Amino acid sequence: NAGVMQNPRHLVRRRGQEARLRCSPMKGHSHVYWYRQLPEEGLKFMVYLQKENIIDESGMPKERFSAEFPKEGPSILRIQQVVRGDSAAYFCASSHRTGGTDTQYFGPGTRLTVL
Amino acid sequence: AQTVTQSQPEMSVQEAETVTLSCTYDTSESDYYLFWYKQPPSRQMILVIRQEAYKQQNATENRFSVNFQKAAKSFSLKISDSQLGDAAMYFCAYRSARGYALNFGKGTSLLVTP
Repeated sequence: NAGVMQNPRHLVRRRGQEARLRCSPMKGHSHVYWYRQLPEEGLKFMVYLQKENIIDESGMPKERFSAEFPKEGPSILRIQQVVRGDSAAYFCASSHRTGGTDTQYFGPGTRLTVL
Repeated sequence: AQTVTQSQPEMSVQEAETVTLSCTYDTSESDYYLFWYKQPPSRQMILVIRQEAYKQQNATENRFSVNFQKAAKSFSLKISDSQLGDAAMYFCAYRSARGYALNFGKGTSLLVTP
């Protein structure tokens, strides 16, 4: 079974450019979560999506950040007009269900560097 | 909001020895789940072990076991017979039974020496 896949693994952008991070959940998983890890910190929840629906985006900055999980294709985390403070590792996780005993399985992350 | 505290930024253990990583959390809920994740230099987050708060029995996975003290809100990870491949950052995480977002501690860096 393929695990959670994320691409690219590394992304370099200049200030003001757009960053697009992709996440393909594990087969059979329809719940996707995005987390951000700043240097020397633990992961922080950003957004939770199901197919075609954003369930909770309370951890995502109100401006410049958006996420989607279309009916077909991977989930996308989009950061517009990136700034140096956006430099971080972005992790995607997926689960079969949500809540209860279900477990989130993580992808390898995308390390975003903003020059 | 629930907070997770890992008070040991770094720990060191010799190969084949046992080490315990500490984790405490703050919550007013009675039903929740606790996790330990490992993050090796590759940065992949790997689930090590999971504990349901309603279970009194401590979870065990091969060389990894936990000491779950619900009243004290403590959830430590014990690694027995440490191996070089255990060297990594270890994160403790909390999730409400009614929720889905994982709340992570800041991590403990484990060094394993030959």
